[in-house]
Amino acid sequence: EDQVTQSPEALRLQEGESSSLNCSYTVSGLRGLFWYRQDPGKGPEFLFTLYSAGEEKEKERLKATLTKKESFLHITAPKPEDSATYLCAVRDSGNTPLVFGKGTRLSVIA
Amino acid sequence: DADVTQTPRNRITKTGKRIMLECSQTKGHDRMYWYRQDPGLGLRLIYYSFDVKDINKGEISDGYSVSRQAQAKFSLSLESAIPNQTALYFCATSDTTGTPNQPQHFGDGTRLSIL
Repeated sequence: EDQVTQSPEALRLQEGESSSLNCSYTVSGLRGLFWYRQDPGKGPEFLFTLYSAGEEKEKERLKATLTKKESFLHITAPKPEDSATYLCAVRDSGNTPLVFGKGTRLSVIA
Repeated sequence: DADVTQTPRNRITKTGKRIMLECSQTKGHDRMYWYRQDPGLGLRLIYYSFDVKDINKGEISDGYSVSRQAQAKFSLSLESAIPNQTALYFCATSDTTGTPNQPQHFGDGTRLSIL
């Protein structure tokens, strides 16, 4: 059974204080790892797809990396508008929907 | 206009009532999904459809049914609502054309409260 575990559950940062969110996964064969951002009262918004170990993707202050067992979402010099819940999801080698982790709730304080 | 539209956005109803949540999309995607989100439990898959004639149960399908009326429409029904079905419900779509392994795109959800 595919499993996705995100840590920490919640993270509080000062504006400008860089940090990383973790997503560890267990799948039979990874076809893709997806990062989403979710704001209160909204649906998840797609950020990145990573396909293979060693791959990196960047968008503004966010950089996602992937190893064979986990992915990190690095947030560099965060701003209050980066406050949201960040979700990680995986798709395995079968023709299956995404399996989501429970998310990390990020708060960035000015 | 939103690409994935869910109606209603909010609904309060009583135990035992039949409820239908609707989802329509203008993205032209062939795959559609229904999830529920609960605090501490994350997003859990209820049903998914790869095309109009293909409906599949997800992790937590008991107490729910779905109908794929057209490529663009996918509705979720609670035949006899119970309080523990109170949750935030999301519809999502994904495409199988173009590059492989496309992401899922979500609507803004329906907040359902069952008293």
